[in-house]
Amino acid sequence: DADVTQTPRNRITKTGKRIMLECSQTKGHDRMYWYRQDPGLGLRLIYYSFDVKDINKGEISDGYSVSRQAQAKFSLSLESAIPNQTALYFCATSDDRGYGYTFGSGTRLTVV
Amino acid sequence: DAKTTQPTSMDCAEGRAANLPCNHSTISGNEYVYWYRQIHSQGPQYIIHGLKNNETNEMASLIITEDRKSSTLILPHATLRDTAVYYCIVRVQFSTNNDMRFGAGTRLTVKP
Repeated sequence: DADVTQTPRNRITKTGKRIMLECSQTKGHDRMYWYRQDPGLGLRLIYYSFDVKDINKGEISDGYSVSRQAQAKFSLSLESAIPNQTALYFCATSDDRGYGYTFGSGTRLTVV
Repeated sequence: DAKTTQPTSMDCAEGRAANLPCNHSTISGNEYVYWYRQIHSQGPQYIIHGLKNNETNEMASLIITEDRKSSTLILPHATLRDTAVYYCIVRVQFSTNNDMRFGAGTRLTVKP
């Protein structure tokens, strides 16, 4: 099994719908992150969490919310999806040293 | 955090060494240099990191100049599977903020 698992892998949804992207990790790390990537661009941070009780906004949190259900689980929600949220979404985890982030395989989200 | 500058793209012949440069002229004394790569649309993969000494692992070598204002990632014998976008990032260790920021990176194309 992968260290970081994201579901679903692909999703097409309609404008205005609420959608949740899920992430789970088996690394035992406290820190988890959600990134967004648009075509041809680098990754931008949406939200991050350093432990279950710690949630922080990243660069582009507007229109998104998160839930840290357990050390191993970190979900990203789009409350009312809009077309410009069409992107590739990555979840990642790291230990407290921050040496190396481990990323999931990504969720490709299309909002029509 | 210090910003980095990387070439937009580079080519390398299969079997030859790929040398990817990164400038980080405003790096602070406690900031590390990290390298990640992203193959196609997969999640980024950690490669290597260093503070001031040269580092080597099974994937690559990292050469940091004495003044720490630039570094080079070396893939000693590039293969077609090394075609990817390579990200150079500087950040402090044990950071209490999230500062693993992925810019546009260098798109390396390994050619047969």
